[in-house]
Amino acid sequence: QSVLTQPPSVSGAPGQRVTISCTGSSSNIGAGSDVHWYQQLPGTAPKLLIYGNTNRPSGVPDRFSGSKSGTSASLAITGLQAEDEADYYCQSFDSSLSGSVFGGGTKLTVL
Amino acid sequence: EVQLVESGGGLVQPGGSLKLSCAVSGFTFSGSAVHWVRQASGKGLEWVGRIRSKANSYATAYAASVKGRFAISREDSKNTAYLQMNRLKSEDTAVYYCTTGPNYHDTSAYSDSWGQGALVTVSS
Repeated sequence: QSVLTQPPSVSGAPGQRVTISCTGSSSNIGAGSDVHWYQQLPGTAPKLLIYGNTNRPSGVPDRFSGSKSGTSASLAITGLQAEDEADYYCQSFDSSLSGSVFGGGTKLTVL
Repeated sequence: EVQLVESGGGLVQPGGSLKLSCAVSGFTFSGSAVHWVRQASGKGLEWVGRIRSKANSYATAYAASVKGRFAISREDSKNTAYLQMNRLKSEDTAVYYCTTGPNYHDTSAYSDSWGQGALVTVSS
């Protein structure tokens, strides 16, 4: 079981908005550690999508946005496109484990 | 263009050792942190460990599942990082990704560049 909890799957129709939650605890997200998000397309290496809770690397569309509140964080994707179908992972640092941790991953299906 | 290329993966028997290399090009490697992340087939991502830059004394940290068995090192003069894996177990079977990111404190650290991954299979 992952330290950061994500829903196993979410889905949405093209053009819709979906959100993916990442629930942590007082030893990671709640302790102030930043949350980062990665997108992994089938058969490829993960790609950084959001860093520092809300920041997008250059080249990432503004359809992707991140937020953080308390012990949780969320990734929102608006204007859903077929090419967004992928696995999404959140990451943070856990002070109890003294190491970085990933969420279990969420599979996004575009209907 | 930033490139990370892992090598050294393969089949190894339980209890054996293997050393992965990660050759980096296209940016200032010496100022970056290096993280290793693994992914078992059909499973999620697992952080393995990291090494910070010379400015932070090449400090290393490891996941509990590999601590005492794995060691991360780097040769800045060769723009290369390494993952030495000892006393390998079947549960270490995975694709191992070399990643780099800014040399931030752990609470803010992330990976902005990833290699293509190297498959390590531990089996008799």
